[in-house]
Amino acid sequence: SYVLTQPPSVSVAPGQTARLPCGGDNIGRKSVHWYQQKPGQAPVLVVYDDSVRPSGIPERFFGSNSGNTATLTISRVEAGDEADYYCQVWDTFSDHHVFGPGTKVTVL
Amino acid sequence: DVQLVESGGGLVQPGGSLRLSCVTSGFTFRSHSMSWVRQAPGKGLEWVAIIKQDGSEKYYVDSVKGRFTISRDNAKNSLSLQLSSLRTDDTAVYYCARGGIRYLSDGFDVWGQGTVVTVSS
Repeated sequence: SYVLTQPPSVSVAPGQTARLPCGGDNIGRKSVHWYQQKPGQAPVLVVYDDSVRPSGIPERFFGSNSGNTATLTISRVEAGDEADYYCQVWDTFSDHHVFGPGTKVTVL
Repeated sequence: DVQLVESGGGLVQPGGSLRLSCVTSGFTFRSHSMSWVRQAPGKGLEWVAIIKQDGSEKYYVDSVKGRFTISRDNAKNSLSLQLSSLRTDDTAVYYCARGGIRYLSDGFDVWGQGTVVTVSS
């Protein structure tokens, strides 16, 4: 089955830029979705189809996807961005959705 | 307001069964695929199952295939998940999630608050 990889944690100072990679075999050929989950809350979709932001998501959240890596970039990081972030794809061979293991973003 | 409200979770013994429900409102339910996603304590998200808009296609993660059944009632705007032969590693918060109107591969743009399933003797 298709496997996604994400670093367990990323630390970033307020106002700086956080780059969250999501690795997968030829992931550039798939549509990648990203979710933010804060403790005790349900996940929230922050980017879909590689780079589209749902209504209400700040422009500071930017998605890209090429080759074997998709990336969620959070610019001008704020304390409220501290959360777990998950990438997700649809595996056409198994007809499964697949989530990455998640990256915990800590704002210093 | 778009809303997904799950219910039916609880404590069940290994080998037991449970039926989860997700009642929806505020959107055209029959136009969207729907999924269940779970999260074990302290762990990441795991997709469990998906059902197409008309119920004609259903897919499951391998670990629940043959034990869980996803279904929907478009007349009642509701989604269900029948859990059988439950194991301790099925313990998790189970979320109902709204998929897209285009493809099964669409992201999940609305989530419920989750219902807790605990499998323990």
